[in-house]
Amino acid sequence: SQQGEEDPQALSIQEGENATMNCSYKTSINNLQWYRQNSGRGLVHLILIRSNEREKHSGRLRVTLDTSKKSSSLLITASRAADTASYFCATDENDYKLSFGAGTTVTVRA
Amino acid sequence: NAGVTQTPKFRVLKTGQSMTLLCAQDMNHEYMYWYRQDPGMGLRLIHYSVGEGTTAKGEVPDGYNVSRLKKQNFLLGLESAAPSQTSVYFCASSKLETQYFGPGTRLLVL
Repeated sequence: SQQGEEDPQALSIQEGENATMNCSYKTSINNLQWYRQNSGRGLVHLILIRSNEREKHSGRLRVTLDTSKKSSSLLITASRAADTASYFCATDENDYKLSFGAGTTVTVRA
Repeated sequence: NAGVTQTPKFRVLKTGQSMTLLCAQDMNHEYMYWYRQDPGMGLRLIHYSVGEGTTAKGEVPDGYNVSRLKKQNFLLGLESAAPSQTSVYFCASSKLETQYFGPGTRLLVL
């Protein structure tokens, strides 16, 4: 069964605005990862946060992890048209197998 | 580096036919994975391999078989295709936690 659940399912924002999406999961994890999927393409790894980390940054991406609430958030700042994609969280329970959520579809309007 | 490649890109099968999907990676990764992605859902793990000559079942293995005779290749077989196996299939490989995905194979079973 899928471990992660993203919220919202879909998000539409204006170029330049920030986009925030959340992920909740059920069991203890070793790390949580976020991936991006452009339409008709494979997934691309964005960022990994370990269970002992609370926040991580990579360029315009900011990820937080709250293990007590079993939740994570992904913030994309100053969004661009190229950020239009589906975003998936994936949890790793320490066996290098990932469990993916259903994803958040982000549309950035020009 | 080609990364992870998948062949074919698209295939139409009739119910009961068989086929093999090929995944190849040139990154010398130990771990390889096969996922399926259905509309509105995240990726679900079909089978995976932790090294040459090894395979293991994932979340949805029924109706599929796999082989990892060479480290760089991971084959997914459908012995008798069913309409329920209509999906987009993704292969991935990893050295550690981060997975690298291929472009996908769209399979339609009529």
